[in-house]
Amino acid sequence: AQKVTQAQTEISVVEKEDVTLDCVYETRDTTYYLFWYKQPPSGELVFLIRRNSFDEQNEISGRYSWNFQKSTSSFNFTITASQVVDSAVYFCALSEDNYGQNFVFGPGTRLSVLP
Amino acid sequence: KAGVTQTPRYLIKTRGQQVTLSCSPISGHRSVSWYQQTPGQGLQFLFEYFSETQRNKGNFPGRFSGRQFSNSRSEMNVSTLELGDSALYLCASSLRPGGLYEQYFGPGTRLTVT
Repeated sequence: AQKVTQAQTEISVVEKEDVTLDCVYETRDTTYYLFWYKQPPSGELVFLIRRNSFDEQNEISGRYSWNFQKSTSSFNFTITASQVVDSAVYFCALSEDNYGQNFVFGPGTRLSVLP
Repeated sequence: KAGVTQTPRYLIKTRGQQVTLSCSPISGHRSVSWYQQTPGQGLQFLFEYFSETQRNKGNFPGRFSGRQFSNSRSEMNVSTLELGDSALYLCASSLRPGGLYEQYFGPGTRLTVT
């Protein structure tokens, strides 16, 4: 069965600090997709990134970067030089089914960036 | 391009009643999924529709049902409401089913059952 673990329930950092959000997943499939979503206080989930299981390249998008390691079943998310606007709950998600949207979400990590 | 819209945004119902929530996907998106978000259980997948057919269903009782119309709009219905059904119900749309396509989420409908 698929499972996503985000061990960090809450993280607080001071603005401009770097922060890494951990995500560990479990799946028996060889083809799967991993996602990160941001949920600001407004409640709407915002898509950040998708990675398929055959693409282990790390990705950088501005202050955001993602490190995908199949060997440790991890897909960690780093925010560099954090800003107050980064305060939100971040969810990691896994989809095993190529033809369905049966996403499994992790419990989320609440990030608070203090000024 | 307009995003995913959900109506109503807030709803208060009494135990035993039924409720219908609506979701309009992004134009051109044909896949719609529904999720329930609660503080205790987190985000849980309810069901997914594509071309008016339910493709996947999460582990929820039969009181939870849904449908999709020919214009891809979707509704979900919860009958015989229980206190535990109080949650934020999120709808997401994508071009097609499958992990290849990003899901775009609506703002959600916050349902309170008293």
